[in-house]
Amino acid sequence: ETGVTQTPRHLVMGMTNKKSLKCEQHLGHNAMYWYKQSAKKPLELMFVYSLEERVENNSVPSRFSPECPNSSHLFLHLHTLQPEDSALYLCASSQADRDYEQYFGPGTRLTVT
Amino acid sequence: AQSVTQLDSHVSVSEGTPVLLRCNYSSSYSPSLFWYVQHPNKGLQLLLKYTSAATLVKGINGFEAEFKKSETSFHLTKPSAHMSDAAEYFCVVQNFNKFYFGSGTKLNVKP
Repeated sequence: ETGVTQTPRHLVMGMTNKKSLKCEQHLGHNAMYWYKQSAKKPLELMFVYSLEERVENNSVPSRFSPECPNSSHLFLHLHTLQPEDSALYLCASSQADRDYEQYFGPGTRLTVT
Repeated sequence: AQSVTQLDSHVSVSEGTPVLLRCNYSSSYSPSLFWYVQHPNKGLQLLLKYTSAATLVKGINGFEAEFKKSETSFHLTKPSAHMSDAAEYFCVVQNFNKFYFGSGTKLNVKP
C-alpha cells in the first residue's frame, strides 16, 4: 500500500446531496492532485495544489470544489453532481520539482444516482 | 507543449512471451518520463522513471523502458509475461508540477 490514503473508498450519492472526498499523504510531499478516471477516457487532471498555490483545469465544473488546508490533506467537495460525474477519483502527491514521480491513493469510486 | 501517445489501446500476449507497450511523447524540453501500472479497482503504481540519466531504465517486476530521443519514444518491455502483469499501463510525461498521461494500454495475458 502507498503513503497516500483516500476516504471513502466507495460513495453513492444523489444529485442533490453534498459530500466530500478526503485524501491524506504521509510522504512529506508539497504538491497534491485530484484526478478523474472515467471508463474509456484518459486520466483527467482536475486540480493541483503545489507549494500552496492552486492550479486548476478550467474545464472542471464548479460543482467540484477543492480544499487544501495544509500540505498533507486534500479535500474535494461535491454538490449537485450529475450522473456523468460517476467515476474513480484519484488523489496523488509528489515533490513539486522535476524528476519526482507521483504517488497515488487507491481512489474513491463515486456513483451519482 | 507536452503530450503522450500510447499507440495501442489493447495488447494481448501469451504467458511467457515478450511484452512491448509503445509510447511516444512530445515535449519542448528534455522530459522526465514515467510508466505506471493500474490493476483493477486499484490506484496507480510507479513501474519506472526516466530522468535524463541512463537511457535504459529498469523498473519493478522485470519491466524496463528505453528512452530514444531521436524517435521521441519510451517503450515499455518485459522479456517474459506473467499472468499477474494483466493490468492497464500508463505512460506519463512531466512538466514541473503537471503530469500528462497517455490514454492507457490494457495488457491481457493468456495462459
